[in-house]
Amino acid sequence: GENVEQHPSTLSVQEGDSAVIKCTYSDSASNYFPWYKQELGKGPQLIIDIRSNVGEKKDQRIAVTLNKTAKHFSLHITETQPEDSAVYFCAARDSGGGADGLTFGKGTHLIIQP
Amino acid sequence: DAGVTQSPTHLIKTRGQHVTLRCSPISGHKSVSWYQQVLGQGPQFIFQYYEKEERGRGNFPDRFSARQFPNYSSELNVNALLLGDSALYLCASSLGAVGTEAFFGQGTRLTVV
Repeated sequence: GENVEQHPSTLSVQEGDSAVIKCTYSDSASNYFPWYKQELGKGPQLIIDIRSNVGEKKDQRIAVTLNKTAKHFSLHITETQPEDSAVYFCAARDSGGGADGLTFGKGTHLIIQP
Repeated sequence: DAGVTQSPTHLIKTRGQHVTLRCSPISGHKSVSWYQQVLGQGPQFIFQYYEKEERGRGNFPDRFSARQFPNYSSELNVNALLLGDSALYLCASSLGAVGTEAFFGQGTRLTVV
């Protein structure tokens, strides 16, 4: 089955600086890679996703890049703000096998220092 | 529009008991998936249901079961609860069977004592 590794587990950056979170996956059949933000006491919120036919996708201050050859993808947050503080999860999915379950990384606790 | 709603929000059960968790998907969504999130970890896939049929199951014992109703709402049942079943149980709603975005509810926090 799929295995997703996520680094770092904790990331502390100054407000206004950029943050980068990296993930690798093992199953070359995976074709969908979402990122979720989870705040304390809440469920994961989808913030951006990318499919395997695209190398990069951007939405305002958030961007995701995908390298299918190396089997890794990254989340980039620019001009970080205090409200960006949360736990971020990457995930991967292979929809070809019938089930549509996501395999998640272990999460990155992003801390924005004022 | 309402998002994914789950009930109850918190629950305390004793070892050996049975629990039922409920989920209502986003209006128009026909697929519901269940995940278990242990503290400090990412969510783990338990089941996916689409049009009342089970489409996939993760690596969980038979004590875990689920079903989906004609209105696309779903129940997750766990029998013979163990201390290790203590976790946040998340429901995710998707428009279709495969290839569409998954939107999560707030979860049900289950504590087994």
